Amino acid sequence: NAGVMQNPRHLVRRRGQEARLRCSPMKGHSHVYWYRQLPEEGLKFMVYLQKENIIDESGMPKERFSAEFPKEGPSILRIQQVVRGDSAAYFCASSPLDRGGLNTEAFFGQGTRLTVV
Amino acid sequence: AQKITQTQPGMFVQEKEAVTLDCTYDTSDPSYGLFWYKQPSSGEMIFLIYQGSYDQQNATEGRYSLNFQKARKSANLVISASQLGDSAMYFCAMRPSTTGANSKLTFGKGITLSVRP
Repeated sequence: NAGVMQNPRHLVRRRGQEARLRCSPMKGHSHVYWYRQLPEEGLKFMVYLQKENIIDESGMPKERFSAEFPKEGPSILRIQQVVRGDSAAYFCASSPLDRGGLNTEAFFGQGTRLTVV
Repeated sequence: AQKITQTQPGMFVQEKEAVTLDCTYDTSDPSYGLFWYKQPSSGEMIFLIYQGSYDQQNATEGRYSLNFQKARKSANLVISASQLGDSAMYFCAMRPSTTGANSKLTFGKGITLSVRP
């Protein structure tokens, strides 16, 4: 059973380009979370999605960032017109259908390290 | 809102000794879960241990145990018999445990642990 798969592992973009980060959750998991980790910081929540629905995007910057989790295929975090401050590690986590929220840890992917030059 | 505080500076421990990593939290949720993750230099997030707020006993997983003091709102991680491979960043995190709620995690800033041979 494959874990959470993120690709690419490393992504370099020039300022103004678009970055697309992909996340395939674990088999059977219908919930996906995206987090951002700036250097020397902990992970910060960005967005929570279920299939075809954005449930909570309270951590997403208002502009240039968007996320989707289509019925088929991976979840995509899209950053338009990247700036140097977007350089960070972006982690995706998935969890199974919530059964009361007890004892269900989130399974993390290995992250995508975005560098904006 | 939930808040996790990890204020220890970089920690050092001698191989084979025990070490405690501190974590305090603040939340208004009546039910919540507390997590510890390890992030080695390779960057992935590795789940270590989970404690539910209503669990009667402190959680243990192999060499990891959680010293949960609910009244003090602390959830310290204890690593026994430290190994060189334990050198990493350690993050404390929490989330609400209400049925059907968004299970997004709130992370602390992390603690760096270095194990000396």
